Amino acid sequence: DTGVSQNPRHKITKRGQNVTFRCDPISEHNRLYWYRQTLGQGPEFLTYFQNEAQLEKSRLLSDRFSAERPKGSFSTLEIQRTEQGDSAMYLCASSPHSGGDYNEQFFGPGTRLTVL
Amino acid sequence: GENVEQHPSTLSVQEGDSAVIKCTYSDSASNYFPWYKQELGKGPQLIIDIRSNVGEKKDQRIAVTLNKTAKHFSLHITETQPEDSAVYFCAASIHRGSYIPTFGRGTSLIVHP
Repeated sequence: DTGVSQNPRHKITKRGQNVTFRCDPISEHNRLYWYRQTLGQGPEFLTYFQNEAQLEKSRLLSDRFSAERPKGSFSTLEIQRTEQGDSAMYLCASSPHSGGDYNEQFFGPGTRLTVL
Repeated sequence: GENVEQHPSTLSVQEGDSAVIKCTYSDSASNYFPWYKQELGKGPQLIIDIRSNVGEKKDQRIAVTLNKTAKHFSLHITETQPEDSAVYFCAASIHRGSYIPTFGRGTSLIVHP
């Protein structure tokens, strides 16, 4: 399968614990995006990378959240001191980048986080 | 920032009927409007998109219309099939280095055989 993959698919944690999610984009896609989706809502943008550079962060990305893409390939999203309000589906997407045209974002299946 | 409203939240139709989902957006600078289909346990998948210089676009059984003056756009699915059952999201975006879509809340489409 050459699509976007995310691991783990499900994560249950206790409030206050730290969690880390991984996203592997489609090969040679140099843009990678993180979104959060809560029940009954559309995805909400968190941050995106072009290669290893983090170019934009949403105000939704509090100080407890950090994302990295150290080698411009896979990315990790870490949430420190989790809160019940962090329970959501965390989606990753990747896209190629060419000039100013919109390039389709391909989404992974998501990581569902439950904070008890 | 951009705000996207989507209606209805649930739409139930019989197989073969048409389905229409409507969205409005708030930022007149938005110039790109993608539609996504999300099936259970999967991420959203782009099904069709429209840019602000076009009023209508069609792809087989799916069509989108855009009214820039009224700031609303719609998805039309004709001859619905059970496999069309999913959650559909509209989105609006402004090109600012990259397209970062603002999504609507989604419409759960149920097609009864």
